[in-house]
Amino acid sequence: AQSVTQLGSHVSVSEGALVLLRCNYSSSVPPYLFWYVQYPNQGLQLLLKYTSAATLVKGINGFEAEFKKSETSFHLTKPSAHMSDAAEYFCAVSDRDSSYKLIFGSGTRLLVRP
Amino acid sequence: DSGVTQTPKHLITATGQRVTLRCSPRSGDLSVYWYQQSLDQGLQFLIQYYNGEERAKGNILERFSAQQFPDLHSELNLSSLELGDSALYFCASSVAAGEGNEQFFGPGTRLTVL
Repeated sequence: AQSVTQLGSHVSVSEGALVLLRCNYSSSVPPYLFWYVQYPNQGLQLLLKYTSAATLVKGINGFEAEFKKSETSFHLTKPSAHMSDAAEYFCAVSDRDSSYKLIFGSGTRLLVRP
Repeated sequence: DSGVTQTPKHLITATGQRVTLRCSPRSGDLSVYWYQQSLDQGLQFLIQYYNGEERAKGNILERFSAQQFPDLHSELNLSSLELGDSALYFCASSVAAGEGNEQFFGPGTRLTVL
């Protein structure tokens, strides 16, 4: 069964600092991977997705993620954090059954200090 | 705005009651997914419909049911409600039910069972 693990339920960075949110996946075949962001009292918004076209994926709001098969990782990064980046971030994998439902990690709450 | 609408935004009800949550997918999307987000279980897939037919079931209780209508909107029915059913319920839609297809999430319905 496919799964994703997000290391760190909370990550705190200073404004302007590098953001690194970790995600490791478990899959016997190349997966389709996603990062979603959830702002308070809102739904989930897609940041980026990996579908095997390129290992470095650029998303919205300056975020990017690199797929590393050797490390089974898909970490999310942003060079310089903004206060507006404070939110909860979810890594997800597309299941391989007929539904292609998303299997989510437990989420990482990003706190940005002024 | 993802283009997915959900009503109502908030719902407060009592144990033992029945409620209906409604979702309208993005124009042109045939696939609708329902997810439950709770503090203890995280984001969990409940059920998926594709073009009016049930495609897959996840961790959905027998007390819960759903359907997708000819106009492609979907309803999630929750009956004999328990305190533990209190959660955020999201609907997501995608063009098709294929791997790698982006799912667009609605703003959610927050259900509180007292």
